[in-house]
Amino acid sequence: NAGVTQTPKFQVLKTGQSMTLQCAQDMNHEYMSWYRQDPGMGLRLIHYSVGAGITDQGEVPNGYNVSRSTTEDFPLRLLSAAPSQTSVYFCASSSETGNTIYFGEGSWLTVV
Amino acid sequence: AQSVSQHNHHVILSEAASLELGCNYSYGGTVNLFWYVQYPGQHLQLLLKYFSGDPLVKGIKGFEAEFIKSKFSFNLRKPSVQWSDTAEYFCAVMPSWGGNQFYFGTGTSLTVIP
Repeated sequence: NAGVTQTPKFQVLKTGQSMTLQCAQDMNHEYMSWYRQDPGMGLRLIHYSVGAGITDQGEVPNGYNVSRSTTEDFPLRLLSAAPSQTSVYFCASSSETGNTIYFGEGSWLTVV
Repeated sequence: AQSVSQHNHHVILSEAASLELGCNYSYGGTVNLFWYVQYPGQHLQLLLKYFSGDPLVKGIKGFEAEFIKSKFSFNLRKPSVQWSDTAEYFCAVMPSWGGNQFYFGTGTSLTVIP
């Protein structure tokens, strides 16, 4: 059982470049989300989705786009990378009941 | 503003010492409460959770937490820590009205000295 799978694990970008962080889950969870983790700030919600075709903004959505064309996949796009987006990104999923939230392994992104 | 507060940012303990990490939240109504642990270089893993019932919840690795509704608190405890407990600990709240949204505290870094 793979759970939540994120790729890539490490990425270095130049300012202004775009990229997509991939996230897939095989638990048939309706709810998926993206967080960024920064020192001293915990996890902050970027975007979330309550089901295929439905997305919404979290606490820190600026500079990021998401889409949810299938239940399994929830990619996060950085349109024009900025140094302030250097962070560790976690994708997560949970069932409708919110029993618990499952996290991917994380993606370490550096923008230079 | 609604929030999850973890008062201890960095805790250093010797092995066998007792641990208590504070967590307070400001969300009204019914909430589900969680503690997650993140070992160095790894993703977050569930330690324990509270939905309803007995306010004293036992989790993995000897951890427990007590929900005190009147204080909006969900403190994490362990009677005797080990070096392997060195990690970052996050309290999380999922309000029942929040559409499955989880809100995390800023985390507490625990260092256990052998």
